[in-house]
Amino acid sequence: NAGVTQTPKFQVLKTGQSMTLQCAQDMNHEYMSWYRQDPGMGLRLIHYSVGAGITDQGEVPNGYNVSRSTTEDFPLRLLSAAPSQTSVYFCASSPRDRGLVEQYFGPGTRLTVT
Amino acid sequence: AQSVAQPEDQVNVAEGNPLTVKCTYSVSGNPYLFWYVQYPNRGLQFLLKYITGDNLVKGSYGFEAEFNKSQTSFHLKKPSALVSDSALYFCAVRVAGGSYIPTFGRGTSLIVHP
Repeated sequence: NAGVTQTPKFQVLKTGQSMTLQCAQDMNHEYMSWYRQDPGMGLRLIHYSVGAGITDQGEVPNGYNVSRSTTEDFPLRLLSAAPSQTSVYFCASSPRDRGLVEQYFGPGTRLTVT
Repeated sequence: AQSVAQPEDQVNVAEGNPLTVKCTYSVSGNPYLFWYVQYPNRGLQFLLKYITGDNLVKGSYGFEAEFNKSQTSFHLKKPSALVSDSALYFCAVRVAGGSYIPTFGRGTSLIVHP
């Protein structure tokens, strides 16, 4: 049971490039989320999903797209990278249980946009 | 609506002394409260939660937290700090019956000095 996995661990992009951050979980969790972590800002929600085929925007969705074609995978796409998207990105999952259950986090992807 | 505040960016404590990391919340209803810990270059790990029942909640690694409804607080405590407790601590809240997505505080850096 690998839990929540994220790839890559590190990435450097040039402004304007696009890329996809991968997230997968093997716990059959319905709920998945993407957060970014910036110094002094805590965790901010980018997008989330309550099940395959269902996604919604969080607090800071601009510049990011998501899709959820399977229960296991929840990729995050940066359409045209900007220096403001330099951050550490975390994916999280949790089972459907009326929100009573804690989230499981991946190890993170550290992204630098130059 | 839901929000959470961690009023201290950093807490310093000597090894062996008791520690407290503060968290206050604001929700329009009954709160579900969580504490997570983040070690350097790692994802967040769940420590403990309050859903209902006993106001004193015990969690991993000897940590505990007390839910205080009148003061809208959920402070994290440990009787005797270890150097290995040095990490970033996040409080999170969601409202019962609301969105399953919790709101995170900005985090408190705990530094335990030998």
